[in-house]
Amino acid sequence: KAGVTQTPRYLIKTRGQQVTLSCSPISGHRSVSWYQQTPGQGLQFLFEYFSETQRNKGNFPGRFSGRQFSNSRSEMNVSTLELGDSALYLCASSLIEFTGELFFGEGSRLTVL
Amino acid sequence: AQSVAQPEDQVNVAEGNPLTVKCTYSVSGNPYLFWYVQYPNRGLQFLLKYITGDNLVKGSYGFEAEFNKSQTSFHLKKPSALVSDSALYFCAVRDMNSNYQLIWGAGTKLIIKP
Repeated sequence: KAGVTQTPRYLIKTRGQQVTLSCSPISGHRSVSWYQQTPGQGLQFLFEYFSETQRNKGNFPGRFSGRQFSNSRSEMNVSTLELGDSALYLCASSLIEFTGELFFGEGSRLTVL
Repeated sequence: AQSVAQPEDQVNVAEGNPLTVKCTYSVSGNPYLFWYVQYPNRGLQFLLKYITGDNLVKGSYGFEAEFNKSQTSFHLKKPSALVSDSALYFCAVRDMNSNYQLIWGAGTKLIIKP
């Protein structure tokens, strides 16, 4: 069974640009969550989706948005990029919502110059 | 407020010795507790979980964790460390009586020396 796939794996953007990251969950998984990982802040929760509905949202500004499609694939978007948005963005999927047994992708490493 | 604390940024253990990575938590209701491991440049991998029942839970790669309700702790343990256990370990808790959000610890870097 294929794991969680995140694309792109690496990307470089400049301040003010916007970026869209994609996540394909494990087949059959309906819950997708997103995390930002930085050396200084650790793992920060962004969003959690289940069956196309946002179930939980972390404390991030409105520049961070996400969505989930009917096939459970998810995207997150960051607009008006800031230097501080440089991070590893991790996507995780699970069979059901509100479970802690998550399956993570390898992440999308965003560098903002 | 809900929180998870991993008091040690780094733990150093000699190969073959037992290891413990500490985790304490604070939630308003019943906790679901988890341990994850992250190898360099990789995503996180699930190790084990405590939901209910036996306080000692066993997980992947020979790891186990002990749930202690009175001390609100969920320490990760392994009887004999391997060099390949060197990685970043995260403790997480989900408060099933609150907003169900998964709260993560800051992570502990485990270094196993040959």
